[in-house]
This record gives sequence, C-alpha cells and structure tokens, in this order.
Amino acid sequence: DIQMTQSPSSMSASVGDRVTITCRASQGISSWLAWYQQKPGKAPKLLIYAASSLQSGVPSRFSGSGSGTDFTLTISSLQPEDFATYYCQQANSFPLTFGGGTKVEIK
Amino acid sequence: QVQLVESGGGVVQPGGSLRLSCAASGFTFSSYGMHWVRQAPGKGLEWVAFIRYDGSNKYYADSVKGRFTISRDNSQNTLYLQMNSLRAEDTAVYYCAKDRVTVSHDGFDIWGQGTMVTVSS
Repeated sequence: DIQMTQSPSSMSASVGDRVTITCRASQGISSWLAWYQQKPGKAPKLLIYAASSLQSGVPSRFSGSGSGTDFTLTISSLQPEDFATYYCQQANSFPLTFGGGTKVEIK
Repeated sequence: QVQLVESGGGVVQPGGSLRLSCAASGFTFSSYGMHWVRQAPGKGLEWVAFIRYDGSNKYYADSVKGRFTISRDNSQNTLYLQMNSLRAEDTAVYYCAKDRVTVSHDGFDIWGQGTMVTVSS
C-alpha cells in the first residue's frame, strides 16, 4: 500500500500569510494526487486534482505542485475562511490512501 | 442540483450488521465510479471501498475486506455499503463520494453529508 505523509500536522498562521503544506508518497505516484479541505462537521471539499489542476469554483489563491513522491499545496494569501484541515490523497492505485491531515489554525 | 444523501447509520452491537445507502441526484449516476470514505471521531479520512460505474469492479481497504460489501443499483441511483461483523474500530462518519470524471478516480468532487455509525455494546 502507498503511504501518504503530510507535514506539518498542524500550523498557526495569520490572515494574509502564504501557507505551504507538503505531502510525500512512499512510492512514485506520478501526478495522481488530490487535495481536500475539510471544516469541522462538514464533508471534505475537493481543491486540487492531478497534483496541480484547480477544481472548478475553487479560488485561485490555492495551487498545487509536484510529481512522483513530493507534492505541495500552497495558499498564496490566507483568508479567514481557509482555516480548516487539509488532506492529500493518492489516486495512483488501490487501496487509495489519504495523508494524516494538516490543521491550519489562526495565529 | 448534484447531490448525494446517505442514510442507514445508527448504533449497532459488535458483531452486528448495518447497511448504508447513498441516494444520488443531479447527475448521471450510472456513468461514475463511487466510493465510501469514513472518518473516526477526531481522526483523519480513510478510504473504504470503490465500485466501478457498472458494478463490474470493486476494491476494498484491507481493514474492511471480507466484512464489507459495496454495491449499486443504477436503476435507483443508489449506492450501498453492507457492513457485517462490525467492530468498535468501525465507528465513524461514513461518506459516499463521486469520482470527478467518468474515466478515472483522480479526485472525489461530490460528497454526501455523512452518516454516523457507532459500534458499541
């Protein structure tokens, strides 16, 4: 099975900050990576698919990069509504697996 | 609008069974692969199972293989998860989710609101 490791597991940031979250796969997954945002008590929301493609309706301050084993989610200027938990997920092979999550909190 | 609505959650004793349903609307259900994903209280997301658009292929997480069965009824636009031999560690919110596109599972673009399953004596 492919293990997905996210870092950091939590972070504090201020509105307007540039935020970067990393995700590492235990083996190469090409660009088969998605990113999700989840707020408390809500279902996850797809942000990025195919490592760098922005899902329709998602603000352009979100971007993804990487391929192979190392990936990054960047929020260019953190907004109040962006405080949430973020998950990466590999879509290369079954069983599909998620990273452990990164909680972005208000500083 | 495009929507998934889960039902069937509840409290069940260890060793018991439960069947979850996920009613789809607003899109051509029979064209998309579908998934179940769960989240234990205070924990992260765990992918559970996948079924191809026509039901011909199914995959499961090792943690549920042999105990859970995913199925679908395209005539009723409904996805199912039959859960047998339930354990305390199966306690979670269960979400159904839709593949973003018909030809791959590069992301889940539509999620249900989730249904809570509690396994406890």
